[in-house]
Amino acid sequence: EAQVTQNPRYLITVTGKKLTVTCSQNMNHEYMSWYRQDPGLGLRQIYYSMNVEVTDKGDVPEGYKVSRKEKRNFPLILESPSPNQTSLYFCASRLAGPHTDTQYFGPGTRLTVL
Amino acid sequence: SQKIEQNSEALNIQEGKTATLTCNYTNYSPAYLQWYRQDPGRGPVFLLLIRENEKEKRKERLKVTFDTTLKQSLFHITASQPADSATYLCALGAGGFKTIFGAGTRLFVKA
Repeated sequence: EAQVTQNPRYLITVTGKKLTVTCSQNMNHEYMSWYRQDPGLGLRQIYYSMNVEVTDKGDVPEGYKVSRKEKRNFPLILESPSPNQTSLYFCASRLAGPHTDTQYFGPGTRLTVL
Repeated sequence: SQKIEQNSEALNIQEGKTATLTCNYTNYSPAYLQWYRQDPGRGPVFLLLIRENEKEKRKERLKVTFDTTLKQSLFHITASQPADSATYLCALGAGGFKTIFGAGTRLFVKA
């Protein structure tokens, strides 16, 4: 089954404690992306990756890091989480090409930073 | 700055009617626009993409229009059903691989 998986699905942590949210896709997609979703603001792109070792900033990259060492994985790293990073996070993937139709989203990771 | 707006208020309609959702954008000329469905606690699910040179696109009971002069896309669900109740997101291609999403419109279809 074609899918994007994220782990963990739920996470409660404290300010300053480094964490990683993993994302993996089994569709051999070149493009992967991370979004955060907050009430009233919609989905905002954090980082995206066009292929292995190629990443770029989205609209809200501050406080986040990503890496793309393998095609299937695109982890999101919060080196020193703060309460304003409490949000619902989604990973997504699709084939390369700006007009490719389908972007597949993961199930989401709900992060709370105390 | 680039801005994409959807009806912030929920849309309530009766089963069998056509639901029409609006997406307006400013300060950009996107090459394409997408529509997604999102159910509570779940990730968005892609529905349709319409390109800048296309006026209309259909898929089963769904229809999307794209007016680049008005900077607006309309999303229609004909013969709506309670199972169509969800939040619908529009998103535009902001150049390269960047995507900008609207905040979404909640649709409630009453039986």
